[in-house]
Amino acid sequence: DARVTQTPRHKVTEMGQEVTMRCQPILGHNTVFWYRQTMMQGLELLAYFRNRAPLDDSGMPKDRFSAEMPDATLATLKIQPSEPRDSAVYFCASGFLVEGRVAKNIQYFGAGTRLSVL
Amino acid sequence: SQQGEEDPQALSIQEGENATMNCSYKTSINNLQWYRQNSGRGLVHLILIRSNEREKHSGRLRVTLDTSKKSSSLLITASRAADTASYFCATTAGETSYDKVIFGPGTSLSVIP
Repeated sequence: DARVTQTPRHKVTEMGQEVTMRCQPILGHNTVFWYRQTMMQGLELLAYFRNRAPLDDSGMPKDRFSAEMPDATLATLKIQPSEPRDSAVYFCASGFLVEGRVAKNIQYFGAGTRLSVL
Repeated sequence: SQQGEEDPQALSIQEGENATMNCSYKTSINNLQWYRQNSGRGLVHLILIRSNEREKHSGRLRVTLDTSKKSSSLLITASRAADTASYFCATTAGETSYDKVIFGPGTSLSVIP
């Protein structure tokens, strides 16, 4: 049963601490997305990768957030230092997208990491 | 501003009734998708309709697309309590960045047994 796996599911930390969230995309998928969901802002796209290369991280606060794909089976989202306003649910999604074709750009979401920064 | 916006924000119906949610968007699209999110879970893809299609069915779901009005609707027929969830429309950001999907704020559907 192929699925996107996110760890941890829940994270409570204090302001100023580093937070690392991990995502294992579905095997064979070539595109990975990071989203943040809050009641006020809804679902926001933070960054996404194609074949491990970052394509767009314009939605991500650059001064404290960083996203990487060390290998095809792992994507990470790091916040350093964390702030209370970063409290949200962070979702990873993956998909298989083909360049140059009208997309059947379906995304498969993980269960999310619920982050609380005190 | 967001590409897609759902209407209504919240909807409450009795089990067995039909539920209709609407989505409006601003720019041209390649396709439009609907996703469902159960409480505490990630989003799940329901259905995709391409810009050259007008209607699509999947089980109890019916999606329509009117590109002239830049709007779509999702109809769930014979609703069940298990359909209680938030529903999001998602559109591509533009013709050249077809793989960047923008989600609307969602419609919260409550189906009362």
